[in-house]
Amino acid sequence: KQEVTQIPAALSVPEGENLVLNCSFTDSAIYNLQWFRQDPGKGLTSLLLIQSSQREQTSGRLNASLDKSSGRSTLYIAASQPGDSATYLCAVNNNAGNMLTFGGGTRLMVKP
Amino acid sequence: DTGVSQDPRHKITKRGQNVTFRCDPISEHNRLYWYRQTLGQGPEFLTYFQNEAQLEKSRLLSDRFSAERPKGSFSTLEIQRTEQGDSAMYLCASSWGTPYNEQFFGPGTRLTVL
Repeated sequence: KQEVTQIPAALSVPEGENLVLNCSFTDSAIYNLQWFRQDPGKGLTSLLLIQSSQREQTSGRLNASLDKSSGRSTLYIAASQPGDSATYLCAVNNNAGNMLTFGGGTRLMVKP
Repeated sequence: DTGVSQDPRHKITKRGQNVTFRCDPISEHNRLYWYRQTLGQGPEFLTYFQNEAQLEKSRLLSDRFSAERPKGSFSTLEIQRTEQGDSAMYLCASSWGTPYNEQFFGPGTRLTVL
């Protein structure tokens, strides 16, 4: 059974800092991994999708890497802003039905 | 493309009542998923449709839960005889075609059972 862990569970940083969120998974036979953002009481917004054959994906100030063999992914956020404050979730898909297994999330607070 | 929509956004009910939620996926997305999220946790998979066929159900989906996607477009999730433990955010997502494609989520329905 796939298990996904995110570390740290919570993070507070000053504005402008570069930061790294970590995601690990136990079964490396994945199709892809997706990073999401969730604001309080809201749905999930997809940030980045990395296929199992890819090493990284970039979107603006976000960069996600994938090391499938070691079961790890990182989300790098450059020059953090207060508007980045949210919960970040990673999810892996390792089945043909594309059902996602989520980590518990990292709650990020960026202080002005 | 208006995104995934869910209705209602919030539902408060008394224990023992039945509730029904609706999800409208992105048009032409043939795969539709239901997830449940409790406070402070990541979402957990409940069930999955490809077109109108329900192909997978989690063990979390007790016999009080039923989901349908009658014409392969919108879907409904019904909870019968609600319990306080059913209080959660119910999220719907959709995707197209292969396992390699991105899933897009709706805003969720927040259920509170008193």
